[in-house]
Amino acid sequence: ETGVTQTPRHLVMGMTNKKSLKCEQHLGHNAMYWYKQSAKKPLELMFVYNFKEQTENNSVPSRFSPECPNSSHLFLHLHTLQPEDSALYLCASSRQRTGALYEQYFGPGTRLTVT
Amino acid sequence: QKEVEQNSGPLSVPEGAIASLNCTYSDRGSQSFFWYRQYSGKSPELIMSIYSNGDKEDGRFTAQLNKASQYVSLLIRDSQPSDSATYLCAVEGSGGSNYKLTFGKGTLLTVNP
Repeated sequence: ETGVTQTPRHLVMGMTNKKSLKCEQHLGHNAMYWYKQSAKKPLELMFVYNFKEQTENNSVPSRFSPECPNSSHLFLHLHTLQPEDSALYLCASSRQRTGALYEQYFGPGTRLTVT
Repeated sequence: QKEVEQNSGPLSVPEGAIASLNCTYSDRGSQSFFWYRQYSGKSPELIMSIYSNGDKEDGRFTAQLNKASQYVSLLIRDSQPSDSATYLCAVEGSGGSNYKLTFGKGTLLTVNP
């Protein structure tokens, strides 16, 4: 595997279900990100992990719960979602340094539909 | 609230023409700027990064940055139908937000054969 991978690629879940999205990066990066992309809206940053530490929670509802066990893996745990949470969820990774941002590389995304 | 504005388009150009995509940003302290290409149903793909004022060329792509005017653009020369996609401008935050990217809504480009 190369780059950033995400599983599953498609997910349909009911509002009472619990599911998890998985992301893995094979680039040796030390920062990982979750984004949400909804139709006709810009990419929205949800969470940032830098060296496994969460450095950003962009006012995301608690029904989204991130987990970063190491610098290569990132999870997004989902529970009691709402239909408006249906979107493309993208994982990205980058190197991190002080003073400037390295490029972020995206995984293929998980298309989530909440019924 | 940091903002990144792009022409929503759609922008339509004939094959072989130059496509010009524009982006303005509100955070005067931003230092890093990126262009991503996103095909329909796919994830964003990084095509250019630019950090200094002026032009940066990579093949048929040229990024232009003017920090004084808070303006960044992407030129695509000899446009091909395969360039048809949505182009996203992304700007790094400044200060304590320098690990965060703010994205524009994107410009849909169609290259007509």
